Amino acid sequence: DAKTTQPNSMESNEEEPVHLPCNHSTISGTDYIHWYRQLPSQGPEYVIHGLTSNVNNRMASLAIAEDRKSSTLILHRATLRDAAVYYCILRDGNGGFKTIFGAGTRLFVKA
Amino acid sequence: GAVVSQHPSWVICKSGTSVKIECRSLDFQATTMFWYRQFPKQSLMLMATSNEGSKATYEQGVEKDKFLINHASLTLSTLTVTSAHPEDSSFYICSAWDRRGTEAFFGQGTRLTVV
Repeated sequence: DAKTTQPNSMESNEEEPVHLPCNHSTISGTDYIHWYRQLPSQGPEYVIHGLTSNVNNRMASLAIAEDRKSSTLILHRATLRDAAVYYCILRDGNGGFKTIFGAGTRLFVKA
Repeated sequence: GAVVSQHPSWVICKSGTSVKIECRSLDFQATTMFWYRQFPKQSLMLMATSNEGSKATYEQGVEKDKFLINHASLTLSTLTVTSAHPEDSSFYICSAWDRRGTEAFFGQGTRLTVV
């Protein structure tokens, strides 16, 4: 079973920030938090990942709760091209690469 | 950067025939690859873990005799859907992680339609 839960869908206006939440209350100390997104009829693509500290890259920011039981993906300025399904997944840092996807959040961006 | 390539992107086949889908890691070696299937409006469902030089590990409920996986080299894994039926119509996706586990690379997916 997936170890993460996310809202089914969210809506945002173009050029506004978007905060996509993820709950992972059973996370273990060695689990990394990864975010991927999937555009229609394509394979998922990497967005960002982190372990304990907040992370920033050119695509997004990842805010991780102090207890690590939740995290938030932040898109600073949503564009129409950001409309996709966003998946929050956990990867075992002890070398396991098997990845189970949850339902993800479908992000709608309004012009 | 590392890329995982799938072929074909789409395929239509008749019921009862077999279809082979290839997944290649283009500039890195992947001892392990993963195969997923995805139905419309649903999430990715892990089917099996493909291990180079050994047998694949199938998830519960996935028929190993129907979905044959071969991982003969460090850059190629194949999924063969045998005796395909319309209910096998789906979007099949493969993936492989980089060595450090920083990022999983996914193929572009193969849309299989069985008529």
